Amino acid sequence: NAGVTQTPKFQVLKTGQSMTLQCAQDMNHEYMSWYRQDPGMGLRLIHYSVGAGITDQGEVPNGYNVSRSTTEDFPLRLLSAAPSQTSVYFCASSYSWNTEAFFGQGTRLTVV
Amino acid sequence: GQQVMQIPQYQHVQEGEDFTTYCNSSTTLSNIQWYKQRPGGHPVFLIQLVKSGEVKKQKRLTFQFGEAKKNSSLHITATQTTDVGTYFCAGRGAAGNKLTFGGGTRVLVKP
Repeated sequence: NAGVTQTPKFQVLKTGQSMTLQCAQDMNHEYMSWYRQDPGMGLRLIHYSVGAGITDQGEVPNGYNVSRSTTEDFPLRLLSAAPSQTSVYFCASSYSWNTEAFFGQGTRLTVV
Repeated sequence: GQQVMQIPQYQHVQEGEDFTTYCNSSTTLSNIQWYKQRPGGHPVFLIQLVKSGEVKKQKRLTFQFGEAKKNSSLHITATQTTDVGTYFCAGRGAAGNKLTFGGGTRVLVKP
């Protein structure tokens, strides 16, 4: 099992560009989520999904879109990148809402 | 909304000493999890506590969930250089779906 796979690992965007961060898991987990990590602020929940076709907003959803068309994939879309979105992004999955979360390796995004 | 706070933000520890990091929630939690993130790495699950007053041990790590299920602590004895990293608590509220992370305690060990 590969676990949770995120691509790309690094990305530099210009302000206003759009892009999609990919996240895939091969553990048949129902629950998936996206976090951003900024220095001194821990991990903040952007969006999450409790199963295919179901998504909901977290603490900091503005500027981001998600969809969950399959159990395996949970992409995060930046619609129009801003410097404030410079961060490390982590995707996580878990078997259910109250079990341990498995994190991907992260995507380090810089918006200039 | 639910907030989870951790103190201290930084912990400098002499190798061999003990230390404790604390986690406090603004609301009652259904459960709390602890994660460790090594420098440059991703968070890795350590443990989950569910019951009021629950205490769990993993070798030199002792985790406790408060009686009111609003706070938790992680105590590490005889700190080693392998304990370097950031320790996060993460709590789920009554609604259950959202896992809210604290700001983390970054642990630096002096040999």
